Amino acid sequence: DGGITQSPKYLFRKEGQNVTLSCEQNLNHDAMYWYRQDPGQGLRLIYYSQIVNDFQKGDIAEGYSVSREKKESFPLTVTSAQKNPTAFYLCASSIGIRQETQYFGPGTRLLVL
Amino acid sequence: QKEVEQNSGPLSVPEGAIASLNCTYSDRGSQSFFWYRQYSGKSPELIMSIYSNGDKEDGRFTAQLNKASQYVSLLIRDSQPSDSATYLCAVMDSSYKLIFGSGTRLLVRP
Repeated sequence: DGGITQSPKYLFRKEGQNVTLSCEQNLNHDAMYWYRQDPGQGLRLIYYSQIVNDFQKGDIAEGYSVSREKKESFPLTVTSAQKNPTAFYLCASSIGIRQETQYFGPGTRLLVL
Repeated sequence: QKEVEQNSGPLSVPEGAIASLNCTYSDRGSQSFFWYRQYSGKSPELIMSIYSNGDKEDGRFTAQLNKASQYVSLLIRDSQPSDSATYLCAVMDSSYKLIFGSGTRLLVRP
């Protein structure tokens, strides 16, 4: 059953804490993306990766970090430097950066305690 | 700043009517255009993609693209209550980044 999985569904962060959101895909896609969605707004690009061991900053990368050690996995860490982390985080993948159709995982909702 | 603009709505239509959703974009170099549907609390799912000027039909959905006017639209025929959702317009810009509009909320009244 091919697709994109994200975990956890809900995540609570305490002040000063780093948290990591998981994203895994078994679609054999080269490109993966992280977006942030705030209520009533569109999606904004945080980071993207075209291939393993390579990633690029998106429009709102400050306070976030990523890694791409495996083709299937693209975890996102929300660091303590991100002062307003409460949002819906969406991971997506596509065949390649120029193969445009992006497919989304179910999302992780991050809340601050 | 590359932008994609949508009316936030809500757009309210009766069941069985045609819903018309509109989107404008600023980057003239954009080549690929997408409509995603997002139910409340869920992730976006792809409805249609369109790359060339004109109309593209898929079942009850028709996407229309006019690159000269930098305008893309989505028509939903025979609207159903299950079509009630937020529709996101997304445009791939000339640097291959997908830029999203803030979405139009559609309400289909039974």
